[in-house]
Amino acid sequence: AQSVTQLDSQVPVFEEAPVELRCNYSSSVSVYLFWYVQYPNQGLQLLLKYLSGSTLVKGINGFEAEFNKSQTSFHLRKPSVHISDTAEYFCAVSPNYGGSQGNLIFGKGTKLSVKP
Amino acid sequence: EAQVTQNPRYLITVTGKKLTVTCSQNMNHEYMSWYRQDPGLGLRQIYYSMNVEVTDKGDVPEGYKVSRKEKRNFPLILESPSPNQTSLYFCASSFAESSTDTQYFGPGTRLTVL
Repeated sequence: AQSVTQLDSQVPVFEEAPVELRCNYSSSVSVYLFWYVQYPNQGLQLLLKYLSGSTLVKGINGFEAEFNKSQTSFHLRKPSVHISDTAEYFCAVSPNYGGSQGNLIFGKGTKLSVKP
Repeated sequence: EAQVTQNPRYLITVTGKKLTVTCSQNMNHEYMSWYRQDPGLGLRQIYYSMNVEVTDKGDVPEGYKVSRKEKRNFPLILESPSPNQTSLYFCASSFAESSTDTQYFGPGTRLTVL
């Protein structure tokens, strides 16, 4: 079975500061990794995903994440945040059984609050 | 515009009164699923469907039913709602059943069961 731990439930940060949202996972098989963002009163949308290849993945809105297999982590980073980045961010994993159904296991979410 | 739609967006009901939340996608996606989102618990999968007439339980299926008679629609049915089903519900779809595929989410349905 897989599990996802988002280490911070809330992250307050000032505008233009860098931010890192931490995600660790546990799995007995290899996994695909995702970050989704949920803006207030909206559904989730994909920020980025890691399937294979380069461990540094770039996504939309200036976000990037780095897959670290030895530490089973997939932390999300942005060098300079904007007020509009205020949202809840979800890390998710999907087991790599080779073409299995896309069952996503989500972390509990991290609320990023960007202050002026 | 490619999208997943859900109706209603908000619903207040009473215990035991059957309800259906509809979900429809216009992207010809094969895979569809339902999640519930609760504070501090993240999203948990209720049911999923890999194609027409193929459905299976997710992590929290108790008290819910689904059907997939057409590719584009995947309604969620609560036969006898209870207060512990008060939650925010999301429908999602993806093109194929591969684990690599991006899931597209609907806007959510906020359900309150009194």
